[in-house]
Amino acid sequence: AQSVTQLGSHVSVSEGALVLLRCNYSSSVPPYLFWYVQYPNQGLQLLLKYTSAATLVKGINGFEAEFKKSETSFHLTKPSAHMSDAAEYFCAVTLSGNTPLVFGKGTRLSVIA
Amino acid sequence: SQTIHQWPATLVQPVGSPLSLECTVEGTSNPNLYWYRQAAGRGLQLLFYSVGIGQISSEVPQNLSASRPQDRQFILSSKKLLLSDSGFYLCAWRGQAYYNEQFFGPGTRLTVL
Repeated sequence: AQSVTQLGSHVSVSEGALVLLRCNYSSSVPPYLFWYVQYPNQGLQLLLKYTSAATLVKGINGFEAEFKKSETSFHLTKPSAHMSDAAEYFCAVTLSGNTPLVFGKGTRLSVIA
Repeated sequence: SQTIHQWPATLVQPVGSPLSLECTVEGTSNPNLYWYRQAAGRGLQLLFYSVGIGQISSEVPQNLSASRPQDRQFILSSKKLLLSDSGFYLCAWRGQAYYNEQFFGPGTRLTVL
């Protein structure tokens, strides 16, 4: 069965530092993977998605993620953190067309000035 | 383009009162629809999903129920609210292809007193 594990429920970085949020997946079929961001009191917004076209996926707000099959990982990165990046980030994997995405438990990113 | 609406945005209800939250989707047909809840500091909890009119799958047995009276309308209800029903309720939709992402509404903040 498909599942995702997000390592670290809370990550804190300094403004301008590299952001690295970790996601590992488990899937019995080639996965489709997603990263979402949630700002306080808002719904989730899609950052990027992997659908097998390219292993390095670029998303909105300067984020990107690299699909590594050998490591079963799909980590989210951003070269330089901004204060506005402070939010909750969720990794997700698809199971099938009719079932909901399977979400990780989320990682809260704090950015320190 | 597709949009998803939820209302109300915030709601304060006494224990034992009924609940009705509404979600509507525009710009697509035959979407899969989902209700999630986020308790304070917790991740996403899938409550219900629907792949068609009148078809509801319950993920968590509790005093909540869901209905889908029209193709693009999804309603979350309760006859008697509990304190533990407080949280942030999110509606989402997804196209039925395997690679599709989910799109989330803005959410409803429910406080049960």
